[in-house]
Amino acid sequence: DTGVSQNPRHKITKRGQNVTFRCDPISEHNRLYWYRQTLGQGPEFLTYFQNEAQLEKSRLLSDRFSAERPKGSFSTLEIQRTEQGDSAMYLCASSRGTVNYEQYFGPGTRLTVT
Amino acid sequence: KQEVTQIPAALSVPEGENLVLNCSFTDSAIYNLQWFRQDPGKGLTSLLLIQSSQREQTSGRLNASLDKSSGRSTLYIAASQPGDSATYLCAVETTRRQGGSEKLVFGKGTKLTVNP
Repeated sequence: DTGVSQNPRHKITKRGQNVTFRCDPISEHNRLYWYRQTLGQGPEFLTYFQNEAQLEKSRLLSDRFSAERPKGSFSTLEIQRTEQGDSAMYLCASSRGTVNYEQYFGPGTRLTVT
Repeated sequence: KQEVTQIPAALSVPEGENLVLNCSFTDSAIYNLQWFRQDPGKGLTSLLLIQSSQREQTSGRLNASLDKSSGRSTLYIAASQPGDSATYLCAVETTRRQGGSEKLVFGKGTKLTVNP
């Protein structure tokens, strides 16, 4: 069990650019979640997948955000036309598809939009 | 809409002290509650998960309790150490339509400092 990994760990981009983050879940976990955390706040849910199916999207996930998990393994989160308000820590978590099983989080990708 | 509140927002204690962190939630219809630890600039580490049918869970020096009817949970840390310094977050799972763990709703956390 190597844990959840996320890349890159840090990303600085200029406003208006597109960025893509990657998450690799724990290998036997079929659920994958994305959260966003701003300074001094708790994480906020964005979306989650069971295998390759995206089961729920938060209203926080505007049209500029898209997430995929094409083969039910790793996932990508893309932000188009970044805005300064997108600056945050983007956290990925994974879990087994069974009830009352913990979510395990990765180290996060810190995005700074200048 | 489920809201999670953690009090206090920050806490500073001397090493060796026992302490309690509080978490409250507005909707008692939860499936489980999870406590996490977050070090500065890092991801979250799961500490304890309490199912809605349970009253408490223990792991080492940590003990978490759950009173679902009153919408409260506490995290008790015994014999605190400087290495316990971190932000502690609680989160509740309130929906389950597809089976398995769904989205978590988090509080803002309690920042704990344990002074040597």
